[in-house]
Amino acid sequence: EDQVTQSPEALRLQEGESSSLNCSYTVSGLRGLFWYRQDPGKGPEFLFTLYSAGEEKEKERLKATLTKKESFLHITAPKPEDSATYLCAVQVRWDTGRRALTFGSGTRLQVQP
Amino acid sequence: GAGVSQSPSNKVTEKGKDVELRCDPISGHTALYWYRQSLGQGLEFLIYFQGNSAPDKSGLPSDRFSAERTGGSVSTLTIQRTQQEDSAVYLCASSLGSGGSTDTQYFGPGTRLTVL
Repeated sequence: EDQVTQSPEALRLQEGESSSLNCSYTVSGLRGLFWYRQDPGKGPEFLFTLYSAGEEKEKERLKATLTKKESFLHITAPKPEDSATYLCAVQVRWDTGRRALTFGSGTRLQVQP
Repeated sequence: GAGVSQSPSNKVTEKGKDVELRCDPISGHTALYWYRQSLGQGLEFLIYFQGNSAPDKSGLPSDRFSAERTGGSVSTLTIQRTQQEDSAVYLCASSLGSGGSTDTQYFGPGTRLTVL
């Protein structure tokens, strides 16, 4: 059974205080690992897809990395507008016939000014 | 361009009533997904449509839940004889369905369902 575990559940940072969110996964044949951002009352907003170990992607203050067992979302010098819940999800190889994403429970990030 | 839209944004119903939730995917997207997000829990897959293929219904929690997709576009999720445990946010997502590296699922704003 595919499993995704995110830590910490909640994280409170001061503005400018860099940190990392963790996503550990167990999946039978990874096609891709996805990061989404979700603001209260809204649907998840796509951030990154990572496909292979060693891959890195960046967007503004965010950088996502991937190993064979986990992914990290690094937040550099965060601002209050980065406050949100960050969701990690995995998708298995398409030759399995499965397309659904399996999500972790998310990390609630609060950045204080 | 227009994103995934869902209606209604909020739905309050009484236990035992049937409800219909609607999803309009991004134009040109052939794949459509329904997920459920319960309070304090992660997103849970419900059903997946791809073109004219038979849908993947493996995530539907009971036979009270059903979904259809008409004309390869709009989808309706129906919950019959609603129960209080059905209260959740129901999210719809769509993707190109091409299998390429850009096949990302984009989500709508969700429908918040409250069963009294």
